Amino acid sequence: NAGVTQTPKFRILKIGQSMTLQCTQDMNHNYMYWYRQDPGMGLKLIYYSVGAGITDKGEVPNGYNVSRSTTEDFPLRLELAAPSQTSVYFCASSREIQGQTKETQYFGPGTRLLVL
Amino acid sequence: AQSVAQPEDQVNVAEGNPLTVKCTYSVSGNPYLFWYVQYPNRGLQFLLKYITGDNLVKGSYGFEAEFNKSQTSFHLKKPSALVSDSALYFCAVRVTGFQKLVFGTGTRLLVSP
Repeated sequence: NAGVTQTPKFRILKIGQSMTLQCTQDMNHNYMYWYRQDPGMGLKLIYYSVGAGITDKGEVPNGYNVSRSTTEDFPLRLELAAPSQTSVYFCASSREIQGQTKETQYFGPGTRLLVL
Repeated sequence: AQSVAQPEDQVNVAEGNPLTVKCTYSVSGNPYLFWYVQYPNRGLQFLLKYITGDNLVKGSYGFEAEFNKSQTSFHLKKPSALVSDSALYFCAVRVTGFQKLVFGTGTRLLVSP
């Protein structure tokens, strides 16, 4: 198993540009998440999904969009990049049973994004 | 609201000595507690978790953590530190029914030779 994979590893965007951060997991996990990590801070939840076709907002969803058309993929879309979106983005997944939300989340290696 | 506090930004310890990384939490229900480690330019790696049962949880790489309900703490420990343990450690908490995993701000562990 590759686990959780993310592409690209690093990207520089100009203000106003758009891009999609890709995330794929091969563990057949039903739950997937997007976090951002800012220097000196813990991770903040952007969006999450409890299964294909279902997504919901986390703590900091503004400026982002997600979709979950398959179990494996959970792309994160930035429509109009802003300097405040400079961060490291982590995708994660977990297998939750009956909504117990106690299972371990497995993280991808991250995407470092710089908006200038 | 759920919250996690890691009171130390950095912990310094000499190789071979025991280490402790502190974590306290605040939740309204039963907590599910996790420790993750992050090496430079890498994603978070799961170390261990407490769901229920024995208060002493053993995890990867010789780490363990003790759940203390009365003190609302979940400190990470290792009897003998290695230089390779130097990394950023995150404590996190989750409450059943809530999707969010709440992270602490992280503690940098520096193990000197």
